Amino acid sequence: SQTIHQWPATLVQPVGSPLSLECTVEGTSNPNLYWYRQAAGRGLQLLFYSVGIGQISSEVPQNLSASRPQDRQFILSSKKLLLSDSGFYLCAWLLTVEAFFGQGTRLTVV
Amino acid sequence: RKEVEQDPGPFNVPEGATVAFNCTYSNSASQSFFWYRQDCRKEPKLLMSVYSSGNEDGRFTAQLNRASQYISLLIRDSKLSDSATYLCVVNRSGGGNKLTFGTGTQLKVEL
Repeated sequence: SQTIHQWPATLVQPVGSPLSLECTVEGTSNPNLYWYRQAAGRGLQLLFYSVGIGQISSEVPQNLSASRPQDRQFILSSKKLLLSDSGFYLCAWLLTVEAFFGQGTRLTVV
Repeated sequence: RKEVEQDPGPFNVPEGATVAFNCTYSNSASQSFFWYRQDCRKEPKLLMSVYSSGNEDGRFTAQLNRASQYISLLIRDSKLSDSATYLCVVNRSGGGNKLTFGTGTQLKVEL
């Protein structure tokens, strides 16, 4: 069966530090992968999506970047975190039209 | 205007009540519609898809009105375990398969 893994579950990082969140999918090939962010009290905002290795589309200009080095690996990064980067980050995999989410990473930038 | 709009609530209802949530979307070319459930500090999970003909899954009924660009979710005989945030989700057409989420409606079912 297909599963999606995301880590770490929680992260506290100082302003200006780098960030790397990793997401991997099992049980499927060539998945469509997505990074969403949910700020406190707000909806899910699509940050990036990828339809294949090395193919990244950005939805909103921001302090973050994404990479897809392998078919089932999707990485969210930042060189220097801002306070406004705090939030709940979710990796998702789209099977036809249904999205399956990882357990999320709760990032607090201090 | 937001692409998907929902009343944030919270809706506080007694156990056994019937509650309805509404959602509107702005892109008339949207193709697929869903309700997701999100428990506190957890990831969203698919509750049900929404079809033009309306669909029912146990105590849950979803309806779509394409002419009014309006989606609804009805929960009958509410249970304490129904307490969660319900997210209205629309799959945009064009430019790839991308789900757009509403901000969610919070439901609290009380004794």
